Amino acid sequence: DADVTQTPRNRITKTGKRIMLECSQTKGHDRMYWYRQDPGLGLRLIYYSFDVKDINKGEISDGYSVSRQAQAKFSLSLESAIPNQTALYFCATSVDRGYGYTFGSGTRLTVV
Amino acid sequence: AQTVTQSQPEMSVQEAETVTLSCTYDTSESDYYLFWYKQPPSRQMILVIRQEAYKQQNATENRFSVNFQKAAKSFSLKISDSQLGDAAMYFCAYRGNNDMRFGAGTRLTVKP
Repeated sequence: DADVTQTPRNRITKTGKRIMLECSQTKGHDRMYWYRQDPGLGLRLIYYSFDVKDINKGEISDGYSVSRQAQAKFSLSLESAIPNQTALYFCATSVDRGYGYTFGSGTRLTVV
Repeated sequence: AQTVTQSQPEMSVQEAETVTLSCTYDTSESDYYLFWYKQPPSRQMILVIRQEAYKQQNATENRFSVNFQKAAKSFSLKISDSQLGDAAMYFCAYRGNNDMRFGAGTRLTVKP
């Protein structure tokens, strides 16, 4: 099994719908992150969490919310999806800032 | 805020040749880490190499090496003996106190 699992792998949804992207990890890492990837923009941080009671906004949090249900689970929600939220979404974990991230395999979200 | 710039949207290299991907960053922090990630068509993010800013010695991982110029805030990736499997998007990333910031990426094509 993958260390960081994202579900679903691909999703098409309609404008205005609520959608949740899920992330679970078996690494035992406290730090978890959500990024979105857009062509020509790289990866941009949406939210991050250093433990269950700690949630922080990233540079592009508008239109998104998150929930850290447990150390191993970190979900991203789009309350009312819009077409410009079409992107590839990555969940990542890390043990410490000196180390790289362990990434999930991504969720490709299309909002029509 | 820290920014990471990759000035080459696309690069190509002949198989077995050497290619260098450029990256510059802007920061006022003195303690940080730098990374290169590879993203093949499978879209999985794979850590290629990591550099600690307080170390002057350039990191090396097999055919991959970096040229870290701290004063110039430059962190280039050199791929030697390029292989077809090196074809991918490459992202430069900076990590300071909290999250990781990514450049826009360089798409590397390897010609047989």
